[in-house]
Amino acid sequence: KQEVTQIPAALNVPEGENLVLNCSFTDSAIYNLQWFRQDPGKGLTSLLLIQSSQREQTSGRLNASLDKSSGRSTLYIAASQPGDSATYLCAADGRTDSWGKLQFGAGTQVVVTP
Amino acid sequence: EAEVAQSPRYKITEKSQAVAFWCDPISGHATLYWYRQILGQGPELLVQFQDESVVDDSQLPKDRFSAERLKGVDSTLKIQPAELGDSAMYLCASSVSGTRTVTQYFGPGTRLTVL
Repeated sequence: KQEVTQIPAALNVPEGENLVLNCSFTDSAIYNLQWFRQDPGKGLTSLLLIQSSQREQTSGRLNASLDKSSGRSTLYIAASQPGDSATYLCAADGRTDSWGKLQFGAGTQVVVTP
Repeated sequence: EAEVAQSPRYKITEKSQAVAFWCDPISGHATLYWYRQILGQGPELLVQFQDESVVDDSQLPKDRFSAERLKGVDSTLKIQPAELGDSAMYLCASSVSGTRTVTQYFGPGTRLTVL
């Protein structure tokens, strides 16, 4: 069974610092890897989706890399802002049938202080 | 911008009572998902619908949970009877299709507290 781990569980940084969030997965036979943001008491917002054939995806200040062989993905957030404070979750889609199924990590809770 | 709607947002109930949650996906989205998220953990898929058909309910506790999407649009998730361990956030999501390159859009969730 696919297991997804996120380290650290919490991160507290001053505004302007770059953020590095780590995600590891046990089964490298994934179809894609997704990163989500969750604000307190709210639903999830999709940030980036990396297909297994890709090495990275970028959107604005966000960049996510994928290394299937080592079972790792990293989310970089450049020049952090207080508005980046949230929980960030990664999810691996590793089903072998035609339906996607996401296995989520527990998330990294980020606090950016002004 | 279209959003996934869920109601109620909060529900407090006593154990052994019945509860129901409603989800209205983004118009045109054929695939609908119900997730359960326990505090401090990531969401876990309970059931996935393609139109009105269930394609995955392997993690749904079928002795007490049921889900339906009768006309392939909105959906209801029911728990009867509720247990203390059911306290969690219940999230609904939808996507254009169930294929693996599409993004899932999540609703705001229903926070269930069982006393």
